[in-house]
Amino acid sequence: DVKVTQSSRYLVKRTGEKVFLECVQDMDHENMFWYRQDPGLGLRLIYFSYDVKMKEKGDIPEGYSVSREKKERFSLILESASTNQTSMYLCASSLSSGNTYNEQFFGPGTRLTVL
Amino acid sequence: GDSVTQMEGPVTLSEEAFLTINCTYTATGYPSLFWYVQYPGEGLQLLLKATKADDKGSNKGFEATYRKETTSFHLEKGSVQVSDSAVYFCALSDLSGGSYIPTFGRGTSLIVHP
Repeated sequence: DVKVTQSSRYLVKRTGEKVFLECVQDMDHENMFWYRQDPGLGLRLIYFSYDVKMKEKGDIPEGYSVSREKKERFSLILESASTNQTSMYLCASSLSSGNTYNEQFFGPGTRLTVL
Repeated sequence: GDSVTQMEGPVTLSEEAFLTINCTYTATGYPSLFWYVQYPGEGLQLLLKATKADDKGSNKGFEATYRKETTSFHLEKGSVQVSDSAVYFCALSDLSGGSYIPTFGRGTSLIVHP
């Protein structure tokens, strides 16, 4: 069974802390994505990566960075957490075969609370 | 840029009622269209998809038809169950700047009462 796993389901951090969210996929997918999900706003793309060590900004990259050192792992980093980064964070992956119809596979999400 | 517009929820139905969730899109290219479902406490999972005009995607009793002339991909189910209660996301995937970046609607919450 294909799988995307995220390191934590729930996380509570304090303002100013450095936060790491980890995502691992076992499907050998080239593309990986980080979204945040907020009520009434749907999914918003933070960053994505289409290859190892490659990264592209999404719609809301401010306050975040990412790292992709291995194909199966994509990390989201909050350099200095703030209360407005309290949210549900979703990781996803997809194949890259030069067409548009590849679905995304999502992890279960990490609910981050910044106090 | 590309965009997806879904009807706002929540949609509240009784069991065995007919469901329609409207979805329209704008895209510069010729996108593929998707419906994803998110059950409480879980991530999103693909429900169905369609890759070209007049294609009908179907799964678990849900259907949606790719209508290029009306730029729509409405989700329908003839008889909903309590277990269908979830948030439904319409999405498209289009070639933009050399990358296939998916665009999601804001989601529609469905609540089905026994």
